[in-house]
Amino acid sequence: DVKVTQSSRYLVKRTGEKVFLECVQDMDHENMFWYRQDPGLGLRLIYFSYDVKMKEKGDIPEGYSVSREKKERFSLILESASTNQTSMYLCASSTQGVGLYGYTFGSGTRLTVV
Amino acid sequence: KNEVEQSPQNLTAQEGEFITINCSYSVGISALHWLQQHPGGGIVSLFMLSSGKKKHGRLIATINIQEKHSSLHITASHPRDSAVYICAVNYGTSGSRLTFGEGTQLTVNP
Repeated sequence: DVKVTQSSRYLVKRTGEKVFLECVQDMDHENMFWYRQDPGLGLRLIYFSYDVKMKEKGDIPEGYSVSREKKERFSLILESASTNQTSMYLCASSTQGVGLYGYTFGSGTRLTVV
Repeated sequence: KNEVEQSPQNLTAQEGEFITINCSYSVGISALHWLQQHPGGGIVSLFMLSSGKKKHGRLIATINIQEKHSSLHITASHPRDSAVYICAVNYGTSGSRLTFGEGTQLTVNP
């Protein structure tokens, strides 16, 4: 069964901490995505990557960075966590090809910044 | 701005009812996706459509490209169908990026 695995389901961090959210996929997908989901705002794209070491800003990249050193792993980094980054974070992957291939999502990480 | 509109936002049904959730989008797309999210957060891809109709069990998804509209139908609904259903599209100019609707919260009562 193909999988996107996020390292933590629940995470509590303090304001100012550096936070790493890890995502690993076992499908050899080229594309990987990080989203955050907030009530009333839906899913919003933070960053995505279409190849190793490649990254593109999404709609809300401020306060975040990413790393993709290996094809299967895409990390989201909160350089200095703030309370407004409390949210559900979802990772997804897909193959290349515009709209021709489905997406696989991880189970999500619910991050609380206190 | 490329947008995806879903209706209704909330839907409550009795077990056994036929359910329809609608999705409309603004410009040409290469694909439309229906996703399901249960409490706890994980998202499951139900359908990916570029034309016509697809069926999986009690779920049916249709798309009308000319009208820029898609529907997700659930026949003989069951309490385990209670979830958030999300419509998402690949706009032609945005590559593999998805644009999401805000979701429809479905509650099916026994």
